[in-house]
Amino acid sequence: EAGVTQSPRYAVLQEGQAVSFWCDPISGHDTLYWYQQPRDQGPQLLVYFRDEAVIDNSQLPSDRFSAVRPKGTNSTLKIQSAKQGDTATYLCASSRTGSTGQLYFGEGSKLTVL
Amino acid sequence: GEKVEQHESTLSVREGDSAVINCTYTDTASSYFPWYKQEAGKSLHFVIDIRSNVDRKQSQRLIVLLDKKAKRFSLHITATQPEDSAIYFCAARTGNYKYVFGAGTRLKVIA
Repeated sequence: EAGVTQSPRYAVLQEGQAVSFWCDPISGHDTLYWYQQPRDQGPQLLVYFRDEAVIDNSQLPSDRFSAVRPKGTNSTLKIQSAKQGDTATYLCASSRTGSTGQLYFGEGSKLTVL
Repeated sequence: GEKVEQHESTLSVREGDSAVINCTYTDTASSYFPWYKQEAGKSLHFVIDIRSNVDRKQSQRLIVLLDKKAKRFSLHITATQPEDSAIYFCAARTGNYKYVFGAGTRLKVIA
């Protein structure tokens, strides 16, 4: 079974530039999560979906961040006008509702904003 | 909303000794508590979990204890080995499958 796939693995931007991160969850997993993990900190939830619906995006900075999962499979997280404070690893995770509940994480996309 | 506090930011133990990592949570509705391990430069992977209908679970050298009254849970790693060195994260799952993570504990096992 393929795991959670994320791309790109690394991105380096100047402040003000935009970037998109892509996530392909495990097949059959209906719930998809995006977490931000700053260096030496724990993962902080940005947004999560069940199928194509947003369940909670209350921690997503809506002025510059957006996330979609249009067909309930792959997802894209976009940062417009990046700031140095956005420097972090962006983790995608997926799970299947009603299963053991375990989250499966991708390898992450490491963003550096100069 | 739910908050998870992980009490030890770093922990050093001698090989063969036990390590204990403690977490507390705030939302009494949380019912599932997984633990994840993150090795240097890698992502998180699941190690063990506990549900609110039990107070102890063991998987080989890992033991998780849950005290619902105190809203506290802990990970015990017995007979530690150098490969146990990593960052460990506790988490709580609230209603609608929302997972909140602690800040992490960096465990170092000294040979």
